[in-house]
Amino acid sequence: GQQVMQIPQYQHVQEGEDFTTYCNSSTTLSNIQWYKQRPGGHPVFLIQLVKSGEVKKQKRLTFQFGEAKKNSSLHITATQTTDVGTYFCAGSRFHFGNEKLTFGTGTRLTIIP
Amino acid sequence: EPEVTQTPSHQVTQMGQEVILRCVPISNHLYFYWYRQILGQKVEFLVSFYNNEISEKSEIFDDQFSVERPDGSNFTLKIRSTKLEDSAMYFCASSEALLAANYEQYFGPGTRLTVT
Repeated sequence: GQQVMQIPQYQHVQEGEDFTTYCNSSTTLSNIQWYKQRPGGHPVFLIQLVKSGEVKKQKRLTFQFGEAKKNSSLHITATQTTDVGTYFCAGSRFHFGNEKLTFGTGTRLTIIP
Repeated sequence: EPEVTQTPSHQVTQMGQEVILRCVPISNHLYFYWYRQILGQKVEFLVSFYNNEISEKSEIFDDQFSVERPDGSNFTLKIRSTKLEDSAMYFCASSEALLAANYEQYFGPGTRLTVT
């Protein structure tokens, strides 16, 4: 079945440093979504990427979707303590209808103040 | 802002007992999902539901699991005979229309199920 892996599993950074998590799917995706889960919380949608090579920015966050639509990355510039949490990519293989999301393994980000 | 709600927040049950987890999706959403997350692990898809029937289910969603939308607002997940390995956080999610450009799923706060 479809597998979605993320690296690294854990990342500890000093506040102000940059952070990147990488997501790789075993199959071509229709779209990829990114979610953030705070400790003890639930996944919260961040963004969706649909087009090959697409790049989207949200303030300090930059999301990329690979040309082959099998990988993606999330980059955070100048991390803040509010960025703490686990970042999951979630891939979908279909354009329409129910979007079964296959979640990645997640990258847990901790910030050293 | 509309949100998905789930009850109870924590359910403790004995092995072999039946549990029903309840969810109220966002009112204009048409797609509903259940996911589970074992502590410290990734979120795993269980089942999706549209137009009063299951659209897709994972290999985790075996005969012990069932879903229902009994009254047009609630969406329930039933586990008939719980096992220790069913202990996890169960998240309900919902999303909008069939041809929506954005397939964002809104997650509820989750129900922590503990099977003893």
